Amino acid sequence: GAGVSQTPSNKVTEKGKYVELRCDPISGHTALYWYRQSLGQGPEFLIYFQGTGAADDSGLPNDRFFAVRPEGSVSTLKIQRTERGDSAVYLCASSPGVGETQYFGPGTRLLVL
Amino acid sequence: AQSVSQHNHHVILSEAASLELGCNYSYGGTVNLFWYVQYPGQHLQLLLKYFSGDPLVKGIKGFEAEFIKSKFSFNLRKPSVQWSDTAEYFCAVTPASGTYKYIFGTGTRLKVLA
Repeated sequence: GAGVSQTPSNKVTEKGKYVELRCDPISGHTALYWYRQSLGQGPEFLIYFQGTGAADDSGLPNDRFFAVRPEGSVSTLKIQRTERGDSAVYLCASSPGVGETQYFGPGTRLLVL
Repeated sequence: AQSVSQHNHHVILSEAASLELGCNYSYGGTVNLFWYVQYPGQHLQLLLKYFSGDPLVKGIKGFEAEFIKSKFSFNLRKPSVQWSDTAEYFCAVTPASGTYKYIFGTGTRLKVLA
């Protein structure tokens, strides 16, 4: 079956611009997670959705980062006023329910010039 | 704060050599443990997981891991590696309650020489 998909696969933007990154979870998965992976590091948690609500956003680095999941399926991670330090691979994962194994998408590689 | 340490950042082995990758975590409560693999150009894939029960867990492609609670460790092993095992390996831990967000180690890059 289809796995987690993320678009775009690559995004190049200029410092100060706004970007949106999209995640399509596995159909029927209620839990959705966003992670960020910087070069040479493991993924770091950003935010978790159970259904439509953000149940834990403690990993968002600052208020330039925001994520939504309005219908409990697709999620969008939004970054305002991008900075060079935001360059990383942004990973999305979904699981059938909270506490179950997470399945990862291919990621969006963001480069801020 | 919870953390995961993977002590080997780069490992180079010849085919048929045995593999052991270390993973230690810091967390006082009950945890779920995972090893994920990322082959070149591919996304993270689950190798194996431990939730409860037998601390020796067998995964795909001949990998296994042993949870030693007293040592806060979950080391990954394979008796005989193949060239196709060349990849980056990540250990992850999640508290067995709450949001179950993963805490990842920094990863180990394994290169297997043919």
